Formats: sequence, C-alpha cells, structure tokens
Amino acid sequence: NAGVTQTPKFQVLKTGQSMTLQCAQDMNHNSMYWYRQDPGMGLRLIYYSASEGTTDKGEVPNGYNVSRLNKREFSLRLESAAPSQTSVYFCASTTGVGQPQHFGDGTRLSIL
Amino acid sequence: GEDVEQSLFLSVREGDSSVINCTYTDSSSTYLYWYKQEPGAGLQLLTYIFSNMDMKQDQRLTVLLNKKDKHLSLRIADTQTGDSAIYFCAETLTGTASKLTFGTGTRLQVTL
Repeated sequence: NAGVTQTPKFQVLKTGQSMTLQCAQDMNHNSMYWYRQDPGMGLRLIYYSASEGTTDKGEVPNGYNVSRLNKREFSLRLESAAPSQTSVYFCASTTGVGQPQHFGDGTRLSIL
Repeated sequence: GEDVEQSLFLSVREGDSSVINCTYTDSSSTYLYWYKQEPGAGLQLLTYIFSNMDMKQDQRLTVLLNKKDKHLSLRIADTQTGDSAIYFCAETLTGTASKLTFGTGTRLQVTL
C-alpha cells in the first residue's frame, strides 16, 4: 500500500524560482495537510484542506499557495522561493475528526 | 493559545524503560497522539488517546494522560536500540478540522 506519496524527495532551488510540491493519497481520505519541519521547532501547519474543494491557512501560510486538485491530490506551490523556506515539507491525510493523520516521507527542499 | 512542550533529549540504557513527557495548555484537546520519526524519514503513528481516557496500553507502549495537569506521557518498556528516534506528541482541538499542533520533539538515545 502506497499511503501518502510525495514528490520530489529532494530539490534544490535558487532564490526567486518557483516550484510545486506534489502529494497524493490512496486511502480515500477527506482531509489533507501540508507541514514544514525546521530544526528544534517541530512541525508547523502551512495549509490544509478539510474536504475536497476547500482550503484554509494554517500557522505559517505566507509565501505558499495550495490546490486541492481532487480528493486524492493536494499540491503546495512556492511562487518565489526564499532561503527562509529551506525546510523539510510533509504532507498528511486523514479520514476526519479524531482519526490519526498519516504522513508521507517528506520533501527536502533547499533554497540557495 | 495552543502550546505543546516536550523535553529535548532523553538517554536510556537498552532494556530499561523510557518515559517521554509532554505538556499542553489547551483544555479543549480532543485527541493526543504520539509519533515516531527516524532519521531521514517521515512520521510514524505510534498510538493515540482520546482526552476522556486516562491510560492506553499497546504492547510495549503505555500512554498516561493527566487531564488536570495537562500532562501526557509515553512509556516504552524494554527499550531497544531500534527505538532510538525523535518522538513527537501532538494534539487536536475541538472544531479545528483535525489540525495537529506538535511539540518540538524528544530525541531518545538508547545506549548499550
């Protein structure tokens, strides 16, 4: 079972470049989430989609946009990458309230 | 506001029990989770507890919840070298679309 799949696994960008991180889940989950993980800070929520067709800001949304393409896919876009966005990005999904989130393996992004 | 705190580091000898602690501030927590992260990997769900429970046991793992003190602990019995990882506690709050608020993580080191 694939679970939550993130692509790419690694990426290096130059400041000002744009890119889209992809996430897909095959568990028929309703809700999907994007987090970033920085050293010593745990995971912080960037954006989430409680259900297909809806998206909302999390704790640290500045500099990012998202698209819930369909029930399976939830993408994160950096329009103009900045060094402060160097991080590990995790996508997660869940069926709904009270159910645990399942995480992908992460995308390691470096911005020079 | 939401705040989840953990100690940064714990070292135990193989075969001993490990106890990882977590405190949270928001009394409207509904579920509390423990995740494990090995180096370079995503987050693996270990166990979770509903906020009206006091204890949950699952093989070598025991979760204790003290709602009065807003204190959560994870006990790992007979700790093995394979348990070396970062452990995150996380909470969801009532009416928040299952968004997770994470602690900063506790790095568990198991020595021979």
